[in-house]
Amino acid sequence: GDSVTQMEGPVTLSEEAFLTINCTYTATGYPSLFWYVQYPGEGLQLLLKATKADDKGSNKGFEATYRKETTSFHLEKGSVQVSDSAVYFCALSEQTSYDKVIFGPGTSLSVIP
Amino acid sequence: DTAVSQTPKYLVTQMGNDKSIKCEQNLGHDTMYWYKQDSKKFLKIMFSYNNKELIINETVPNRFSPKSPDKAHLNLHINSLELGDSAVYFCASSQDLLAGEGDTQYFGPGTRLTVL
Repeated sequence: GDSVTQMEGPVTLSEEAFLTINCTYTATGYPSLFWYVQYPGEGLQLLLKATKADDKGSNKGFEATYRKETTSFHLEKGSVQVSDSAVYFCALSEQTSYDKVIFGPGTSLSVIP
Repeated sequence: DTAVSQTPKYLVTQMGNDKSIKCEQNLGHDTMYWYKQDSKKFLKIMFSYNNKELIINETVPNRFSPKSPDKAHLNLHINSLELGDSAVYFCASSQDLLAGEGDTQYFGPGTRLTVL
């Protein structure tokens, strides 16, 4: 079945450091890919998404490119801030699977001043 | 204006009790979900409803029963609560999945259930 794998956390970075959180997926069709973020004590919210190969999603300085050849959707940010501390979830949804989103296990990020 | 709201935010109860969590969305979406998030932050879908009809029912014990009185509400009732039910439960909603598009899910703030 479909699945999403993310790099193990927790990740701790200093402010202004470069961030990469790796995400790879397995899917039978052509999924849409997402990054969701969960700030402490809150629900998840969409950070960015890409719906087809080579699309780049971007938001709030974060970006990720849909790479079909490597089945990856790595999240990057050039300079993290303390306010970026959160749990990040990579996810996919298959067009053939009615409204079902498969989430990765989440990667906890802590940014220290 | 809250898009997806859940009540209560915290729920502490004894083993064996029956409890309900309510969810409402004011986004006009057709599809609603319940997710369970464990202590390691792992998120797992439990149910999905579309226009009040059950679409997805993952392997959830039948002690869990979702009820959708209308498409803006999806409540979760849990019978005979067990220690392992302790988790954060999230409600979410989305529009119908469109061909070629990725449908965004909008999450509620979560309900932290603690079973003693």
